[in-house]
Amino acid sequence: AQRVTQPEKLLSVFKGAPVELKCNYSYSGSPELFWYVQYSRQRLQLLLRHISRESIKGFTADLNKGETSFHLKKPFAQEEDSAMYYCALLTGTASKLTFGTGTRLQVTL
Amino acid sequence: GAVVSQHPSWVICKSGTSVKIECRSLDFQATTMFWYRQFPKQSLMLMATSNEGSKATYEQGVEKDKFLINHASLTLSTLTVTSAHPEDSSFYICSALGNEQFFGPGTRLTVL
Repeated sequence: AQRVTQPEKLLSVFKGAPVELKCNYSYSGSPELFWYVQYSRQRLQLLLRHISRESIKGFTADLNKGETSFHLKKPFAQEEDSAMYYCALLTGTASKLTFGTGTRLQVTL
Repeated sequence: GAVVSQHPSWVICKSGTSVKIECRSLDFQATTMFWYRQFPKQSLMLMATSNEGSKATYEQGVEKDKFLINHASLTLSTLTVTSAHPEDSSFYICSALGNEQFFGPGTRLTVL
């Protein structure tokens, strides 16, 4: 069965420091992975997807099939990056998403 | 991006009553919508896939008679929690599938 693991519940970094939010997955099919973000008192929204290979708000994520990972990175954290981040795996033909447990990123001065 | 609304945003009900939650896609049509449940400080758990004009597909362990889903139009899906009990208290989130899943703001249900 598919599974998404985010090992850190909380990641606290200083402003300007690099950020890496970890995500590992297990899935027998061809994986399609996403990062979603939820800012305080706001709804969940898509941050980026691996097939787009894009950088959004300075964040990037590379799919590593060998390590079954899709870590989210940003070289210099900003205060406005503080939020809850969820890694998600698209499974099957029904466009269903399996979410990880989320990591709260806290950027402090 | 596309907008998905949920109504109500919060509801308190007595044990044994039924509660209906609406999910609407405001500016696009969605053949498929999803219903999730989120416990405090936990992840979103997919409950069911709602398909317009057909029966919903429930995930393993989700009682279909407990959580009734109706997707009568391309912009509206409803989730009815029947005979609610305190253990049904949770945050319910819907999403509508366009070129990606667009999420609603969630509905907090408290059953007394």
